[in-house]
Amino acid sequence: AQTVTQSQPEMSVQEAETVTLSCTYDTSESNYYLFWYKQPPSRQMILVIRQEAYKQQNATENRFSVNFQKAAKSFSLKISDSQLGDTAMYFCAFMMVTSGTYKYIFGTGTRLKVLA
Amino acid sequence: DSGVTQTPKHLITATGQRVTLRCSPRSGDLSVYWYQQSLDQGLQFLIQYYNGEERAKGNILERFSAQQFPDLHSELNLSSLELGDSALYFCASSVGDPDTEAFFGQGTRLTVV
Repeated sequence: AQTVTQSQPEMSVQEAETVTLSCTYDTSESNYYLFWYKQPPSRQMILVIRQEAYKQQNATENRFSVNFQKAAKSFSLKISDSQLGDTAMYFCAFMMVTSGTYKYIFGTGTRLKVLA
Repeated sequence: DSGVTQTPKHLITATGQRVTLRCSPRSGDLSVYWYQQSLDQGLQFLIQYYNGEERAKGNILERFSAQQFPDLHSELNLSSLELGDSALYFCASSVGDPDTEAFFGQGTRLTVV
């Protein structure tokens, strides 16, 4: 069975600093996708970044980037120049496609607080 | 605004009761997913429908059921409610099946007392 582990329940970072959120996963699949979702106080889930497992290049979206280590099954999120609006819950998610269907498996989340 | 609408936003009900949560997907999206977020379980995938048919099932209890209607809106029915069912229930939608990106609604907060 696939699992996603976020080992940091809470983190804090000073505004304008850089922070890295960790995520590890376990799967025997070779073709899958990884995501980071942000859940701000509004409770809505917002897609931050995604990575296809077959791509070796790490995904980047503005201030957000990932360090994808496929062999180590690690998928960390780096937030550069942290902003107060980055304060939120961050979920790492794994998605696989099997037999024409797919499913998401989410980690339990990391609560990030950006301090002024 | 993701374009996914969930109603109601909040729901308080007693144990043993039955409730129905509703989700309207983004225009053009054929897939609807339901998730449960509770404090001790994190975010759990419940079930997915695509164009009216069940496509994938996650950790959904037998007391729970869902369906997707011809107009593509979906309903999640929760029956014989227990205190542990108190959670935030998210709906998400995507264009196709499978797809790699899902857009989430704001969730329905269910409190069972």
